[in-house]
Formats: sequence, C-alpha cells, structure tokens
Amino acid sequence: GAVVSQHPSWVICKSGTSVKIECRSLDFQATTMFWYRQFPKQSLMLMATSNEGSKATYEQGVEKDKFLINHASLTLSTLTVTSAHPEDSSFYICSARNQGDSGANVLTFGAGSRLTVL
Amino acid sequence: GQNIDQPTEMTATEGAIVQINCTYQTSGFNGLFWYQQHAGEAPTFLSYNVLDGLEEKGRFSSFLSRSKGYSYLLLKELQMKDSASYLCAVLDSNYQLIWGAGTKLIIKP
Repeated sequence: GAVVSQHPSWVICKSGTSVKIECRSLDFQATTMFWYRQFPKQSLMLMATSNEGSKATYEQGVEKDKFLINHASLTLSTLTVTSAHPEDSSFYICSARNQGDSGANVLTFGAGSRLTVL
Repeated sequence: GQNIDQPTEMTATEGAIVQINCTYQTSGFNGLFWYQQHAGEAPTFLSYNVLDGLEEKGRFSSFLSRSKGYSYLLLKELQMKDSASYLCAVLDSNYQLIWGAGTKLIIKP
C-alpha cells in the first residue's frame, strides 16, 4: 500500500530556532500534500495545502511567514516552523492523497512529528 | 456552516460490539471516511463510503445514509488493541476534508 514517510518523529528545540519537517510519498506521486496540527485530545486541524510547483494554500489563522511550506517535487513537501515558540509545540502530521483499494482518493498519513519548543 | 458530530467518548467490553455514530451537515458530499488514531500516532484509514449502505471489512463495518446525513462505524469482537480514537471525516463539494473531533473508544477487559 501507499506509504508516506515523515521525518523527524521527535524534535526538541530552543525557542527562537527554526525546525524543518519533511514529508515524502514513497511509492506514489503526490501533487498535493496536506499539513495538519493536532493538540492533545483535540482533532486534526488543517494548516495548509501544499501544491507541487506552486505556493501553498493556508487555512485562515495560520501564519504563512511562520509556517513555510515548500513542495519542490512530486514526492517531497517540507514544513519549516520559523522562530519557534513554546506555543508551537504540537503534533504535526502530513498526508497525501492516493487511490485506495476502494477507488477513493484516500488520505495516507505520515507518522507525525512531535515538536517540543523549550 | 459545516459540522460533523460524533460522541466524545465511548466505553465497551472486550469481545463485545460497539457502534460509533457520526452525523454531518456539509456543503456537498463526496464521501465519508473513518480513520483510527492511536494515542500519539497518526491516523490510519479504515473505510470509505460514498453510496448508501453497509461496507464490511473484517471486524469493522461502516454504514452510510446520505439522506439522513448519518454514518456509523461498527466494531465487532472488540480487542484491547481497538482502544483508540475514531475519526469521521466528510469530503465536501470542494473536495475538502471536514473532520469530526473524534470518538475516544475505551475497551475494558
């Protein structure tokens, strides 16, 4: 089945530094990838839609200058959290859409990246 | 506005059957998904319904009624490993996924 690899799984950084998270589709091409954030005991919140070769589409309330998204190839999207602060500590998950067994465009998720900003 | 409702938490006994309901009000409908999410992990795909009726896949089944804006996920022969959150999500007319808040399922021995 389709696999999405996300790296790193865990990252701890100091306040003010930048952190880059990578999301790769391993056995399929993904022109569109999605970045979510999930706080403890809450549902997934879509942050932005990453489009290969063009600018990302950000959801309302998400600062595009703080959460930089680059989708340079059909298999790689990166999310950079710039000048991270403790309130940015969260679980960040990427996903890509692929054709599932049912014929539907199923979202396959990466394993997630847990960011802790000290 | 768009809205998806599912119970916050449910408790069931190992070996039993549990039904998790999901009702939705969205602008258009292009399918409903169920995902399973264990604590600290990313969601994994369980099922997709776009036509009315029941889809069975092993111990898990998913039902959809488009006229009622209603779906349920049925889990049979519950195992302790089924303890997780179950997320209902609807693909709207713009092919945007609208997520429910998830139902935390607690399995007791």
